[in-house]
Amino acid sequence: QSVLTQPPSLSAAPGQKVTISCSGSSSNIGNNFVSWYQQFPGTAPRLLIYDNNKRPSGTPDRFSGSKSGTSATLGITGLQTGDEADYYCGTWDISLSIRVFGGGTKLTV
Amino acid sequence: QLQLQESGPGLVKPSETLSLTCIVSGGSISNSPYYWGWIRQPPGKGLEWIGSIYYSGNIYYNPSLKSRVAISLDASKNHFSLKLSSVTAAETAVYYCARQFSAFDIWGQGTVVTVSS
Repeated sequence: QSVLTQPPSLSAAPGQKVTISCSGSSSNIGNNFVSWYQQFPGTAPRLLIYDNNKRPSGTPDRFSGSKSGTSATLGITGLQTGDEADYYCGTWDISLSIRVFGGGTKLTV
Repeated sequence: QLQLQESGPGLVKPSETLSLTCIVSGGSISNSPYYWGWIRQPPGKGLEWIGSIYYSGNIYYNPSLKSRVAISLDASKNHFSLKLSSVTAAETAVYYCARQFSAFDIWGQGTVVTVSS
C-alpha cells in the first residue's frame, strides 16, 4: 500500500479536462515539493511537473500542478488520446526518510 | 543532452546479488547539485525508490532495503552502481536509474531483472 493515495483509474473523453489527485500527510506532501510523472506502457517514467507546479521544458501547458495542504493535483486540459498513460505523484517523506510515490493512476481517454 | 543507460545481468538467482551500473553520457556525474538514484518497478506495479547518491559520497537508502543495498559512484568513469544482495523472486522488476534534484528529471530506459533459478 502506497504512502501517497491516487485513484487507480480515471476515464475522460477527448477535449475534456481531468484532474488526478494525490493525497498524503504532513510528513510528505504537507512539507515537501510534489512531482508528477507520466509513463506509457513499456517505457520509463517522464517528469511532467516538479516543485508542485513547475513544468520542465517539453511539458505542454495543458498540464498543470497544484498543492493544497496534504494533497496535490495534476490537471490536464484538452485531453488527447496520446495522454492515455499511467500517472504517478512523488515526494519526500520526512518521517520515513524515503522518497515516496503514489500507486499510480491509469488514465483512459 | 544528458543520457542514462542501465547495464547488467538480466537474470539473477535467488539469494544472490543483483549488480547494475548506470552509465551517464552527455554530462558530468560530478555536476552539482544533482543526486543520482535507483528506482524499481515490479511487473504491473508502481514505482519504488531504492536509494540515491551524491558525487561527494553522501548516500541515502530506502530503510526497507538498507541492510542489503549498496550504491556507489565512480566519477572517473562517469557512472554509478547498485548492488542488492540476497534477492528474492519478489524483486523481479524493471530497474531504472535517474538524475535527481527535487524530482527525478532524467531517466534511463530501464533494465529488466528477473530473479529465478
